[in-house]
Amino acid sequence: DAGVIQSPRHEVTEMGQEVTLRCKPISGHNSLFWYRQTMMRGLELLIYFNNNVPIDDSGMPEDRFSAKMPNASFSTLKIQPSEPRDSAVYFCASSPKQGNTGELFFGEGSRLTVL
Amino acid sequence: GEDVEQSLFLSVREGDSSVINCTYTDSSSTYLYWYKQEPGAGLQLLTYIFSNMDMKQDQRLTVLLNKKDKHLSLRIADTQTGDSAIYFCAVSGNTPLVFGKGTRLSVIA
Repeated sequence: DAGVIQSPRHEVTEMGQEVTLRCKPISGHNSLFWYRQTMMRGLELLIYFNNNVPIDDSGMPEDRFSAKMPNASFSTLKIQPSEPRDSAVYFCASSPKQGNTGELFFGEGSRLTVL
Repeated sequence: GEDVEQSLFLSVREGDSSVINCTYTDSSSTYLYWYKQEPGAGLQLLTYIFSNMDMKQDQRLTVLLNKKDKHLSLRIADTQTGDSAIYFCAVSGNTPLVFGKGTRLSVIA
């Protein structure tokens, strides 16, 4: 299996621009998670989906952040407009089990720099 | 909500044992995990323990769980330079996995 695939691996943009991060989970996995990693706050859960349905988005920092999962093989995380404090590594992970249990399989992350 | 705490840094000599510690707050945690993150990569599951176990051994890795004190540890025997990475403790219960901030392990040759 190819694993969780994220794109882009690196993104540098200017404040105010729209950023879209993409994720392809492992085929057959039921749950998908978006995490953000920074030195200060560590790994934070932003949102997760079970069977393409958003279950908990309480970790999404602001209305500038939105996430979609239109089908079982694709998800996006969008930031509009982006700000320098959004600079972080964004990870997508998928799991064969729903929600709370089971191993998470992580992608290699998308490193975002907002100037 | 759940809180998971780890020390941020650990430095050991090659060949010594490393012990990484973690404390958590949610007593209903059912699975407890250790993940490893190498530079520029995502997290990978190293090992896990179910909450009704005290210990689990997997080759050079030993996981100890003290449920009364809500304390989890990961011991790496005969630590090698390839073990240099960030190690994350994670617990699950009524919510998706909550991660600690990670312990950066540096192995000195």
